[in-house]
Amino acid sequence: AQSVTQLGSHVSVSEGALVLLRCNYSSSVPPYLFWYVQYPNQGLQLLLKYTSAATLVKGINGFEAEFKKSETSFHLTKPSAHMSDAAEYFCAVSDHNTDKLIFGTGTRLQVFP
Amino acid sequence: DTEVTQTPKHLVMGMTNKKSLKCEQHMGHRAMYWYKQKAKKPPELMFVYSYEKLSINESVPSRFSPECPNSSLLNLHLHALQPEDSALYLCASSRLAGADTDTQYFGPGTRLTVL
Repeated sequence: AQSVTQLGSHVSVSEGALVLLRCNYSSSVPPYLFWYVQYPNQGLQLLLKYTSAATLVKGINGFEAEFKKSETSFHLTKPSAHMSDAAEYFCAVSDHNTDKLIFGTGTRLQVFP
Repeated sequence: DTEVTQTPKHLVMGMTNKKSLKCEQHMGHRAMYWYKQKAKKPPELMFVYSYEKLSINESVPSRFSPECPNSSLLNLHLHALQPEDSALYLCASSRLAGADTDTQYFGPGTRLTVL
């Protein structure tokens, strides 16, 4: 079965610093991968998705993620953090067998001034 | 427009009450989902409707009863809930069912508190 692992339940960066949120997946077939962001007391918003068209995926709000098959990774990056980026970030993979979206445990991003 | 709306935003209910959560989308999506999210946890899938028919029930207790009156609406009827059912309930929709085929778009959620 497919699964995702998010390394680091909390990540803290200074405003203007690089943001790196890690996601590793396990899948026996090429996966569809997603990053969602959840701001406090809100629903999930799609940041970006990988569907095998291109390994570097650009999303909203300046985020991007690179699919690396050799490392089974799909890390999320942003060159310069902004205070408004503080939120919970979820990596998710599609499960080919069950047609379900499998979420990682989430990473809380804190941005300090 | 990728908007999924949910009402109410907040709901407080007693264990003997009956209430309903409502979800609506006008994107022409034919798959709709209910998720439950506890604090500091990822969403957990509860139900999936595909073309207005229930296709997945994740062994959810019968005190939760979903309903899909038409392709735009999804309800979750609540009865005799327990305090541990307090959570954020998220609705989502996608063009078709099956995570491979399309992106799920989420609503803002209903924050449910059971007293």
